[in-house]
Amino acid sequence: GAVVSQHPSRVICKSGTSVKIECRSLDFQATTMFWYRQFPKQSLMLMATSNEGSKATYEQGVEKDKFLINHASLTLSTLTVTSAHPEDSSFYICSARGVGQGAATNEKLFFGSGTQLSVL
Amino acid sequence: GQNIDQPTEMTATEGAIVQINCTYQTSGFNGLFWYQQHAGEAPTFLSYNVLDGLEEKGRFSSFLSRSKGYSYLLLKELQMKDSASYLCAADSGGYQKVTFGIGTKLQVIP
Repeated sequence: GAVVSQHPSRVICKSGTSVKIECRSLDFQATTMFWYRQFPKQSLMLMATSNEGSKATYEQGVEKDKFLINHASLTLSTLTVTSAHPEDSSFYICSARGVGQGAATNEKLFFGSGTQLSVL
Repeated sequence: GQNIDQPTEMTATEGAIVQINCTYQTSGFNGLFWYQQHAGEAPTFLSYNVLDGLEEKGRFSSFLSRSKGYSYLLLKELQMKDSASYLCAADSGGYQKVTFGIGTKLQVIP
C-alpha cells in the first residue's frame, strides 16, 4: 500500500529558529498534499492544501509567511515553520492523495507519521 | 464553509456494539472518511463512503446518507484495543480540501 514518509518525527528547538518538516510519497505521486496541526486532545486542523507545482491554499487564520509550504515535486512536500515560538508547539502531520500503483485510487488520504514540535 | 459534528466522547463495554454518528455541512462533497487515531499516532484509514448505504468491513461498518448529510461508524464485538479517537472527515474531492471533525474519543471498558 501507499506510504508517506514524514520526518523528523520529533523536534525540540529554541524560540526564533526555523524548522523544516518533510513528507515524501514513496510509491505513488502525491498530486495533493494536506498539512494539518493537532493540539493535545483536539482534532486535526487543516492548515493548507497544496497541489504540485502551484501555490498552497491556506486556511483562514494560518499565516502563509510563517508556515511556508513547498510542493515542488510529485513526491515531496515541505512545511517550514519560520521563527518558531512556543505557541507553535504542536503535532504536525501531512497527508497525501494521488495516483500511482501504490495509491490505488485518488480518493484515499495517506498520512505521514507526524512531527511533534516543541519550541522552548 | 465546512461544518462537521460528532460527539466528543463515548463509552462502551467490551463485546458490545457502538455507533458513532457524524453530521456534515460542506460546500462541495465527494465522500466521507472515517479514521481511527490512537494518542500520539497518525490516523489510520477505516472507510470511505461515496454512495448512500452501508458498507461492511469486518467488525467495522460505515453508513452514509448524502441527502441528510449524515454518516455513522458501527463497531461490533468491541475490543479493548478499539479505545481510540474516531475521526470523520468530509472530502470535497480531487484537489479540494478534506475537513476533519473534532473526533470522538471512544473508551471501551471491561
